[in-house]
Amino acid sequence: DAGVTQSPTHLIKTRGQQVTLRCSPKSGHDTVSWYQQALGQGPQFIFQYYEEEERQRGNFPDRFSGHQFPNYSSELNVNALLLGDSALYLCASTLGGSGDEQFFGPGTRLTVL
Amino acid sequence: AQSVSQHNHHVILSEAASLELGCNYSYGGTVNLFWYVQYPGQHLQLLLKYFSGDPLVKGIKGFEAEFIKSKFSFNLRKPSVQWSDTAEYFCAVIKDTDKLIFGTGTRLQVFP
Repeated sequence: DAGVTQSPTHLIKTRGQQVTLRCSPKSGHDTVSWYQQALGQGPQFIFQYYEEEERQRGNFPDRFSGHQFPNYSSELNVNALLLGDSALYLCASTLGGSGDEQFFGPGTRLTVL
Repeated sequence: AQSVSQHNHHVILSEAASLELGCNYSYGGTVNLFWYVQYPGQHLQLLLKYFSGDPLVKGIKGFEAEFIKSKFSFNLRKPSVQWSDTAEYFCAVIKDTDKLIFGTGTRLQVFP
């Protein structure tokens, strides 16, 4: 049983570019959340997807958008990249509405030059 | 603002020393509480969680945490740390939804 998987592992982009990160949830999970973890900080909630809809959103600009597919996998898109977007992007999955443990993927390390 | 606070940013211990990491949250009402650990080069994984019931919860690898409602605290403890406990530790809260609010983390270094 695969856990949460993310791709790619690492990514280097330049300012102004756009990036798409991908996540497959743990088997049986229907809810995917995305977090941004800057160096030396705790993960910050970006948004959450359930039933292909954005259910809730953290304090991130509209440059950050996402999508959830019928198989529950998800994408995170970031437009007009800034240097400050450099971080580890984590995907977590859970069974919606349970308030239970979220299982995290290994993350995608994004570097913006 | 509502938040999760971890007051110990960096803790250095020798093996066999006792560990206590503080966590305070500022949310009223019912919350679900978690401690996650991030070992070097690995992804976040759950150490333990508290939803209700016995306020002293036991997790993996000999860790335990105590929920004190009156103090809005959920401190993590381990009687005797090992070198392999070197990691970053995050306290987190869920209130009402599946949105995890994390503290800033505590970096633990254990020396043999």
